[in-house]
Amino acid sequence: QKEVEQNSGPLSVPEGAIASLNCTYSDRGSQSFFWYRQYSGKSPELIMFIYSNGDKEDGRFTAQLNKASQYVSLLIRDSQPSDSATYLCAVPMDTGRRALTFGSGTRLQVQP
Amino acid sequence: NAGVTQTPKFRILKIGQSMTLQCAQDMNHNYMYWYRQDPGMGLKLIYYSVGAGITDKGEVPNGYNVSRSTTEDFPLRLELAAPSQTSVYFCASSGGVGVGNQPQHFGDGTRLSIL
Repeated sequence: QKEVEQNSGPLSVPEGAIASLNCTYSDRGSQSFFWYRQYSGKSPELIMFIYSNGDKEDGRFTAQLNKASQYVSLLIRDSQPSDSATYLCAVPMDTGRRALTFGSGTRLQVQP
Repeated sequence: NAGVTQTPKFRILKIGQSMTLQCAQDMNHNYMYWYRQDPGMGLKLIYYSVGAGITDKGEVPNGYNVSRSTTEDFPLRLELAAPSQTSVYFCASSGGVGVGNQPQHFGDGTRLSIL
């Protein structure tokens, strides 16, 4: 059973700062990694996915993957109050199902 | 483009009652999933389907059943509702090629309370 671990938070950062969210995973064979954002009472929405070691940037978001250390991070630059949400890290369960194993999420609070 | 549509959005059931949560997608996706999310937790896979007529269990299937008679629809059936099934239920779909890097499209969820 693959496991994904996240600090539940809340992580509180001031507006304009960089928010750093971390995720560790148990299966060394995991190939791809997903970050979802979930506003309170809403469904998860995909922010980014990454499957190569190193960084992947998309606007204010950067995903960082370190397979040797089995962690993946999400950096949010110039954090805005609208970024306040729970961020879920996920890895595929296996190639056949394409279903995802989710972490419990980190709640981010951006203070104006 | 509606994406993934779930009905109802809210429901309160009494212990022992049964109900069906509906899920429909209009993206012609082969893969569909049912997850549940308990407060402060991540999502747990209940059942999934890789195509019409094919379903299989996920991590937490007990107390639930599914069917997939068409590509579009993937209903989730609760038999003999129990308080432990109080949760938010999300239906999702995915498709295309490229194993592992296909995002899953989620419906808005069904908030179910068993009293």
